[in-house]
Parts: sequence; structure tokens; C-alpha cells
Amino acid sequence: SQQGEEDPQALSIQEGENATMNCSYKTSINNLQWYRQNSGRGLVHLILIRSNEREKHSGRLRVTLDTSKKSSSLLITASRAADTASYFCATDASKNTGFQKLVFGTGTRLLVSP
Amino acid sequence: DGGITQSPKYLFRKEGQNVTLSCEQNLNHDAMYWYRQDPGQGLRLIYYSQIVNDFQKGDIAEGYSVSREKKESFPLTVTSAQKNPTAFYLCASSIGPLYNQPQHFGDGTRLSIL
Repeated sequence: SQQGEEDPQALSIQEGENATMNCSYKTSINNLQWYRQNSGRGLVHLILIRSNEREKHSGRLRVTLDTSKKSSSLLITASRAADTASYFCATDASKNTGFQKLVFGTGTRLLVSP
Repeated sequence: DGGITQSPKYLFRKEGQNVTLSCEQNLNHDAMYWYRQDPGQGLRLIYYSQIVNDFQKGDIAEGYSVSREKKESFPLTVTSAQKNPTAFYLCASSIGPLYNQPQHFGDGTRLSIL
């Protein structure tokens, strides 16, 4: 079952603009992770935010987590053409299994035009 | 450089044929995973392994089999029982069966039916 739902499904912006994508989930989580996938390639880990954290930054990336609303957002500032990719959120809702099982959303396709 | 190597990049399967996808990692990670990705979709977990000689079914294990005889290797066999094998297959690893860890991905194998 897919817990994470990204919004929007697709986003088209110009270079230099900011891109915001959202993720909603259904159950309580240990952490939420964001990944990037370039066309035909594997996923690349971007940021992991734990359930007791509200905001994290990494370079031009900013992730927020609102556990009361069961939602997260990924902001990419000053976007570049190289940011063109699909972005996935993944939630770790493992409970007492001693094993991290990620459940991925369907992704947001971001197109950044020069 | 440490990473995950998947081979082959493209694979074609004939009716009634079993095919094996290779996944090798030199990250010294204990946990390894196999995912299936269909067009425009997120990732779905096929099998995972927390340690050598142990593996567990994921959400869509029917028609697939795995082995984990070495820490570095986690091959996936797509059997003839899998009636809709056409997909992009991704292998991943993480440090161990712990929470709050990112997963590292290979570049995938695209499997098609002849």
C-alpha cells in the first residue's frame, strides 16, 4: 500500500524560481525521507527528517514536517535546470519490527526550464 | 567509490523463462532491498534482507525469489509465475535494520517481455 501522496503530480517552473512539493501520509511515522530520481536512474537520498523534528535544511533544500497534519513539504530554492527530476517522499512507519520499511509515494515530476 | 551495482541495465524475458537480476554493494551494509517501479508510480517492496542468509517477503513477493548468501550480493529471480514482469527494478541497501537510516540505490534494471 502507498502511504505517501505527493502534490502536485507535476510542476513546471523557470530557472531561479522556487519549487514546493507536498507529501501527505496516513499513519504515525518514525521518519520521512525525500528522494530524487532522474529519468531512467536510481533514487538519490536528499533529506531524512525524524518525527520529532519540524524543519531541516540541506543546501538549497528545505523540508518541513507537520505530524499533526501528517504532511511534509520539500522546498527547492533558486531552482536550476539540473533539478529537473521526479521527487518522492517515503515514510518509515515500522513499529517494533527492528526493521526499517519505507513506503513510497507516487512522486512529483519537476521540470525546470532555462 | 562505494556504491550499488545492478546488472544488466536492460533485460528481456521470454515466456516461461526465469531471469535473474544482479545486485552487488560494497558499502558494507547489512540490509538490502528489492523494489519494483511501474511507469508513473512509486516503488513497491518485493523482498528485503536484514542479514546474510535471511530474507523476508515484501508487499509484492509473488512470482519472485531471492537469496542472500553473501553480505555483498542480493540477486533477484523473476520466475515464470510472475505474469506481468515488465517494470523497472531497483535494488537498495542501508546500514542495518535500524530506524532513521537512508537507503542507497543502484541504477536499476529495466525488464521487458519478448
